[in-house]
Amino acid sequence: EVQLVESGGGLALPGESLRLSCTASGSGFTFSRDWMTWVRQAPGMGPEWVANINQDGSQKNYVDSVKGRFTISRDNAKNSLYLQMNNLRAEDTAVYYCAGDGFAYAMNVWGQGTTVTVTS
Amino acid sequence: QSALTQPASVSGSPGQSITISCTGTSSDVGLCNCVSWYQQYPGKAPKLIIYEVTNRPSGVSNRFSGSKSGNTASLTISGLQAEDEADYYCFSPTSKTSLRLFGEGTRLTVL
Repeated sequence: EVQLVESGGGLALPGESLRLSCTASGSGFTFSRDWMTWVRQAPGMGPEWVANINQDGSQKNYVDSVKGRFTISRDNAKNSLYLQMNNLRAEDTAVYYCAGDGFAYAMNVWGQGTTVTVTS
Repeated sequence: QSALTQPASVSGSPGQSITISCTGTSSDVGLCNCVSWYQQYPGKAPKLIIYEVTNRPSGVSNRFSGSKSGNTASLTISGLQAEDEADYYCFSPTSKTSLRLFGEGTRLTVL
């Protein structure tokens, strides 16, 4: 069974940085084959697409609100996806999910999420 | 760019069918046959139930079906069951530099 496990969430002050990780394991999922995505969900709100990255890391896309502050990356040798989050703001408070784009424009494998709280 | 428009809530009785709409523009929903749908229970990650407008991933009940007309996509759930009570979100790429959009979300209540 495929599993994505996120880590790295926690409490941060505005302006601080956090780095999220997502590691894939299990059979039936070839990490290096798929685009990977970060999605976040603020408390009581719907999900928001944050960023995605192609198979070899040469293409990266971001929602406008995180451009210049967040960086998505991956290490296929480690089956791992990352999200470096700098200059955090209160509005970045959310559960962050990593997801695998097993189908075109659709995420069919999800992690359980890691919580990021930005507060002074 | 704003989220795609969905009704805030829909309800139905067991055995009935319901349809959830997802309205966008020619720059997103109408751009291609790329809309997907997700089911989410409280405190859980979203689950893909429809991709590329009409396709179901392996293991998803055939009670779930999707369609699209112009700039509006729809999710239909037939033979409603209590376990279908959840939040549903549509999702679409856009023409703006690979931006992706979720819908506002619809809370389904099974009466």
